[in-house]
Amino acid sequence: NAGVMQNPRHLVRRRGQEARLRCSPMKGHSHVYWYRQLPEEGLKFMVYLQKENIIDESGMPKERFSAEFPKEGPSILRIQQVVRGDSAAYFCASSPWDRVAKNIQYFGAGTRLSVL
Amino acid sequence: SQQGEEDPQALSIQEGENATMNCSYKTSINNLQWYRQNSGRGLVHLILIRSNEREKHSGRLRVTLDTSKKSSSLLITASRAADTASYFCATDVGNKLTFGGGTRVLVKP
Repeated sequence: NAGVMQNPRHLVRRRGQEARLRCSPMKGHSHVYWYRQLPEEGLKFMVYLQKENIIDESGMPKERFSAEFPKEGPSILRIQQVVRGDSAAYFCASSPWDRVAKNIQYFGAGTRLSVL
Repeated sequence: SQQGEEDPQALSIQEGENATMNCSYKTSINNLQWYRQNSGRGLVHLILIRSNEREKHSGRLRVTLDTSKKSSSLLITASRAADTASYFCATDVGNKLTFGGGTRVLVKP
C-alpha cells in the first residue's frame, strides 16, 4: 500500500505564474488535508476536503489559492499568480474514515515551492 | 498565536542520553499527538494520547499529558543518531491538526 504521494517534489515558479500541486491519498482514504510549512516553523492548516467537497477551508488565503478533490484523480492545490511569500513546503495528508475521529493523518513528503 | 508551543526549540544530546521536550497548548483538546519530521521529509505519526489519559508508552517513547496545565511532554530514551529530527506536537481542533513550532533534536554519535 503506497503512502501519500505528492508531486512534484520540487517546483520552481516565477512571480505571476501558476503553481499546481498534486496529492494522491493512500488507497482507501477519502479525507485529504493540505498544510503549509515555512522554514523553521510548524505546519499550518490550509484546507480539508472529502471527495468532491471542501469541508473546511478556514486556513486558505482568500485570494489566489484554491483546492479540489475530484471524484477521480488526485487532490490539487492551485496557487495563481504566485508571489515570493508563497515559497514554502506544502504537505498533503490523508486519513480513512475510521481514523477521522482520532485525526491521525498520514503525510506525504511534500512539495517545495520556490518562487523566483 | 500557535495552539501548540514546543520547548525547547532546539536540543543537542549525545547518543544514549534521554531527550525531553515539552508542548503547551491553549484550548481544550480531544487528543494530542506527536509527530517526527526528518529534514526535507514529511511528518511521521509517533503517538496519540487522549485527553483522559495521563501517560502513554510506545517503544522508547513516553508521552505525558497534563490537561490541567495544558501541557504534554515527549521523552525519547536511549537516543540514537537516527532520532535526529524535528518533533512536533499537534492538537486536534475540529477537523484539523494545529501544530507547534517544533523542537529540533540533534543526537550526536
